[in-house]
Amino acid sequence: DTGVSQDPRHKITKRGQNVTFRCDPISEHNRLYWYRQTLGQGPEFLTYFQNEAQLEKSRLLSDRFSAERPKGSFSTLEIQRTEQGDSAMYLCASSPKFTGSYGYTFGSGTRLTVV
Amino acid sequence: QQQVKQSPQSLIVQKGGISIINCAYENTAFDYFPWYQQFPGKGPALLIAIRPDVSEKKEGRFTISFNKSAKQFSLHIMDSQPGDSATYFCAGGNQGGSEKLVFGKGTKLTVNP
Repeated sequence: DTGVSQDPRHKITKRGQNVTFRCDPISEHNRLYWYRQTLGQGPEFLTYFQNEAQLEKSRLLSDRFSAERPKGSFSTLEIQRTEQGDSAMYLCASSPKFTGSYGYTFGSGTRLTVV
Repeated sequence: QQQVKQSPQSLIVQKGGISIINCAYENTAFDYFPWYQQFPGKGPALLIAIRPDVSEKKEGRFTISFNKSAKQFSLHIMDSQPGDSATYFCAGGNQGGSEKLVFGKGTKLTVNP
């Protein structure tokens, strides 16, 4: 197991386009988190899955954002009608059931640039 | 209520010196406090974490000091090395809830050789 994998690593898109990111967590980790990190800031929580259930969403996750985790394995984060303010690093993390955030493992992120 | 305030924003230390980064939190529901290390182009990596029932935790050259009454905690890096040059984030979380983390804004540490 090579850790949390995110794809693509970089994405440049025009304003108004839709983008989708993928996260493959560490196998056996049933918890999956999405965070957003802008330049010079710490990561900000977006949403959280336990298995396939999306249990919490931040107010940061506007109606243009949607996340899924079908079958409790990989997860996708889609942003519709992208705006320049969406430019950020999107980080995925996973953890085993009983370790929780104490044992987060982050991926290397997807850097989104909206032009 | 949810903020974690981190200082300094940047820190320059000579090799072999002690690096100290401070954080303060507001949410008394937080029950664990991890520190993450992030290198450019990489995701944050867990460095060390502490729970509020202890005042200090040490792992190798890294030590967390925790002051529950002041709602403050700090990271000390002893014998700082150039390879420690990275951005460090403190965070607070509540394992009884969603276990989401609230991060500080980060401290960019530079260790000069």
